[in-house]
Amino acid sequence: QSLLTQPPSVSGAPGQRVTISCTGSSSNIGAGFEVHWYQQLPGTAPKLLISGNTNRPSGVPDRFSASKSGTSASLAISGLQAEDEADYYCQSYDNESGSNVFGTGTKVTVL
Amino acid sequence: QVQLQESGPGLVKPSETLSLTCDVSGYFINRGYFWAWIRQTPGKGLEWIGSMYHSGSTYSNPSLRSRLTISIDTSKNQISLRLISVTAADTAVYYCARHRAGRLAVAGTFDSWGQGTLVAVSS
Repeated sequence: QSLLTQPPSVSGAPGQRVTISCTGSSSNIGAGFEVHWYQQLPGTAPKLLISGNTNRPSGVPDRFSASKSGTSASLAISGLQAEDEADYYCQSYDNESGSNVFGTGTKVTVL
Repeated sequence: QVQLQESGPGLVKPSETLSLTCDVSGYFINRGYFWAWIRQTPGKGLEWIGSMYHSGSTYSNPSLRSRLTISIDTSKNQISLRLISVTAADTAVYYCARHRAGRLAVAGTFDSWGQGTLVAVSS
């Protein structure tokens, strides 16, 4: 079972704002390890969306933002668009397991 | 812009060895970065397998470490994965990725991914 827990699904109408939580523990997010977010469009490989807790790589729209607090992190998508329909994963490092770990994944549906 | 392309057999028999290669273009592996293998299954989601630096430093998932070999061939700009004694649980899409080190070398982000290759373990 994953050490980073995400809601299985979130949905919103075009233009709305949705948030995805990533709940960890004191051995990963709470230990200060950075959280990264990935977007996986249907049938494709994951793509880096946010690195180092809050940083958007070049080319990622500023509709995507992220934050981290305590043992959790969250990804927000504002001005939801049809093209945002995808699976989203958080990722961090866990020093108890000695491994990079991914979240359980969240499917975003645009209504 | 770095590009990664995985290749290898799509079917492996139980108890045999899974071998994959990843060709890297647009970036010389020996310039830096770690290079990683990650797999994805419907049941377990995304799972980090391991990462290697061109100098040979290697980090791996403790759950796979005893069966795993990752290697780098800088002359071919290629990374390889070898997983022995496979079972049906090793059936997955396998990705190679560029691994940007974080606060700890092993901790970091995967900033470029290959398209992935499906490997089924079945007799």
